[in-house]
Amino acid sequence: ETGVTQTPRHLVMGMTNKKSLKCEQHLGHNAMYWYKQSAKKPLELMFVYSLEERVENNSVPSRFSPECPNSSHLFLHLHTLQPEDSALYLCASSQGAIRGELFFGEGSRLTVL
Amino acid sequence: EDQVTQSPEALRLQEGESSSLNCSYTVSGLRGLFWYRQDPGKGPEFLFTLYSAGEEKEKERLKATLTKKESFLHITAPKPEDSATYLCAVASGSARQLTFGSGTQLTVLP
Repeated sequence: ETGVTQTPRHLVMGMTNKKSLKCEQHLGHNAMYWYKQSAKKPLELMFVYSLEERVENNSVPSRFSPECPNSSHLFLHLHTLQPEDSALYLCASSQGAIRGELFFGEGSRLTVL
Repeated sequence: EDQVTQSPEALRLQEGESSSLNCSYTVSGLRGLFWYRQDPGKGPEFLFTLYSAGEEKEKERLKATLTKKESFLHITAPKPEDSATYLCAVASGSARQLTFGSGTQLTVLP
């Protein structure tokens, strides 16, 4: 495996379900990110982890809960989501927490019914 | 607050028809401007970093340029495989994160 890998690629869940998105990076980077991408809107940064410590949390609702157990893995735990949370969720990594040269995964397409 | 505006929102070109995409920005102390390409159903792919006005970067048919207020992504003799959404982002001294534009969706017709 190379680059940044996200699973699952597609996820459909009800508003009462609990699910998790997984991201793994094989680039040796020390920072990982979760972004949300909705149609016709700019990428929205959700969380940043640098050296496994959360350094950014952009007022994301508590129904999204990140976890970074080590520098290669990042999770986004989802519970009691709303239909407006349907979007493409992108994981990225970089060397350094505020670098602009991000390496993205292919994303997890989430649909909340 | 940093702002990034990309234009046009969508652009359709014939194969071989050169054109430019625009990224206008307002930041407090530019630390870098970044171009990405995003194919449908995929994550963005990093293309270029520009740090200061007058700087240029090239990759195949793409050339990115930077002024104090905007950046251009010039596409020379595009091919259908250049069809994608092109994203621009800035990093500033005052913000701890990138600010992305909404992107330009480029379609190159054969």
